[in-house]
This record gives sequence, C-alpha cells and structure tokens, in this order.
Amino acid sequence: QVQLVQSGAEVKKPGASVKISCRASGYTFTAYPIQWVRQAPGQRLEWMGWISAGNGDTAYSQKLQDRLTITRDTAASTAYMELSSLRSEDTALYYCARDPSGNLKWFDPWGQGTLVTVSS
Amino acid sequence: DIVMTQSPDSLAVSLGERATINCKSSQSVLYSSNNKNFLAWYQQKPGQPPKLLIYWASTRASGVPDRFSGSGSGTDFTLTISNLQADDVAVYHCQEYFSSVWTFGQGTKVEIK
Repeated sequence: QVQLVQSGAEVKKPGASVKISCRASGYTFTAYPIQWVRQAPGQRLEWMGWISAGNGDTAYSQKLQDRLTITRDTAASTAYMELSSLRSEDTALYYCARDPSGNLKWFDPWGQGTLVTVSS
Repeated sequence: DIVMTQSPDSLAVSLGERATINCKSSQSVLYSSNNKNFLAWYQQKPGQPPKLLIYWASTRASGVPDRFSGSGSGTDFTLTISNLQADDVAVYHCQEYFSSVWTFGQGTKVEIK
C-alpha cells in the first residue's frame, strides 16, 4: 500500500538546521508531488512547500521561503525538508504527504509526522 | 491568502446522532471552468496524522464510510457525520486547494456526549 515513512524526532538549538526525510513506497515515486505541512502546538495545519518528485520543481510558502529547502532523491524514493535558522516558533510536528491527484490538490496519505523541538 | 474558518471549535454528540461541522472560506473556492469546489476534509485522530476524508467538497475518499458526507459550494461548506461512532472521535480539518497556498481551518474537535 502507499506509505510515507518519516525520519525520527529531532531536538535542535536555536539557529541550527534540521533535515527530515520522507521515504515513499507502494507507488511510482516520480509520478506525484510531495507536500510538506507542519502543525505547531495548538495551531492549525500550515502548508510549507512542495516538490515535484519527477522534475524537482519546488514552491515554498512566502513565510518560510528564505529558510526552507525541499529536495528529493529519486533513486531512494525519498523527499527531504530542510529548515534553517531554527527558532522556538519552529517547534512543531512536521508532515510529508503525497498529492494523489498529481496536480497539486489534496493530500493523501500523510507520513506519520516528525517532531522537531527547538530549545536552548 | 484564503482564510478558512471552522465552526464550532468543538462539539459533543451522542453515539448514533449526527455531527455537523461548518467551514467558511474568505473567498470562493469554486473554480468556474470546471464547476468544482477546491475543498477537502481531513480527520485527525489523537497521535495520528490527518487522513483524507473528502475532496471536491463532496467526494468521499476511498474506504471512507458513507456516514461521512460533504456539501456546500462557493464559500460555505459542511461536513456531516451521521450515526456517530466512538471511532469518529477526532479533530476535523477543512482545507482549500484553490490557491497555490494551501490553507486549513483551525480544526473542530468532535467528542462523545
């Protein structure tokens, strides 16, 4: 079945960077975009950016574009999200999700989530 | 950005009864060229990632029980859970995909009364 498995929890100090992986299985990785979404404690889900797993095109939220980099490794069927210059407000659960429409619509399925804690 | 506002923030419903969740967008998410509403609903159980329930405002995702239904158009949408089951306890999120900046509602928590 289609599955996205993310890397484990991270604890980082302010100013550091974090890189999370999202390994896909059960489908042709390059056929569908991968989206990244985060959920800070008590906050609504926040879209971060996406990558075309096929050609590597990306788009980022305006809020994060200066600090966010999304990449992919097609041989490993894995997408990566790197967020730099971390601050306490970046403490959140980070999710990757597939776009099954292939045309930037809804998200399904989602990875299990990766908790990133930013603390001095 | 389109702002998605859900109501209520939480509700408690008796088993077997109906739960109704509303979602309002700050601008229409109806795409005139195909007459489709660019809106999805997700269910998020405690400790789990969101799960797609409905897309195009009213199309159930694969495997989703027909107790879940979506309706509405333009700026006003509703998720209805009929015959509420204990397994339906979760937070429900609406999401627009009309813009290229996907935005979500604040979530509605459904509990058993």
